[in-house]
Amino acid sequence: DTAVSQTPKYLVTQMGNDKSIKCEQNLGHDTMYWYKQDSKKFLKIMFSYNNKELIINETVPNRFSPKSPDKAHLNLHINSLELGDSAVYFCASSHERAEAFFGQGTRLTVV
Amino acid sequence: GDSVTQMEGPVTLSEEAFLTINCTYTATGYPSLFWYVQYPGEGLQLLLKATKADDKGSNKGFEATYRKETTSFHLEKGSVQVSDSAVYFCALSSGTYKYIFGTGTRLKVLA
Repeated sequence: DTAVSQTPKYLVTQMGNDKSIKCEQNLGHDTMYWYKQDSKKFLKIMFSYNNKELIINETVPNRFSPKSPDKAHLNLHINSLELGDSAVYFCASSHERAEAFFGQGTRLTVV
Repeated sequence: GDSVTQMEGPVTLSEEAFLTINCTYTATGYPSLFWYVQYPGEGLQLLLKATKADDKGSNKGFEATYRKETTSFHLEKGSVQVSDSAVYFCALSSGTYKYIFGTGTRLKVLA
């Protein structure tokens, strides 16, 4: 059983398009996250949600809109994609300050 | 704000060599500390963790001790294998709904 699953694994799209990445966790965690990993492997928090409520929005452009329909799901919609959005996006979940569990990542390439 | 500093990589070792990857942190309060490992094309996997001062986390021959006096959490392994080649991330959680990661250290082990 996959604990944190995100789809798709790969996404290639043209500039200006709109795309979504879906994430689901079956661990019963209250908190979910989106992280962005750049080409140098640096990981930066984008959003965190606790019990479906947005807690952290780390100066992310408003072209990125997360949505949490329930505690087990956190999706990421991106409007008007730009070349600089190319990266690997990771979904994660955790219970309070315990370790975070990460999905396999979505490699987004904007051409 | 909270931060994590890791030694720059890449680190290249021969099989059976001793590994140390340094990690220091800055945080208010008493964070939980983690080491994650990322194999090529995969997500982050928890390697080990420690939640309070003097705790030692260990897994798969890797160890790290939470040192409050030196604000450090260095990763060690007595004898590395080729299969340990990966990127290693030190991270902390202060209960602020985010995990702060270091820049990652790439380890390459040669047969």
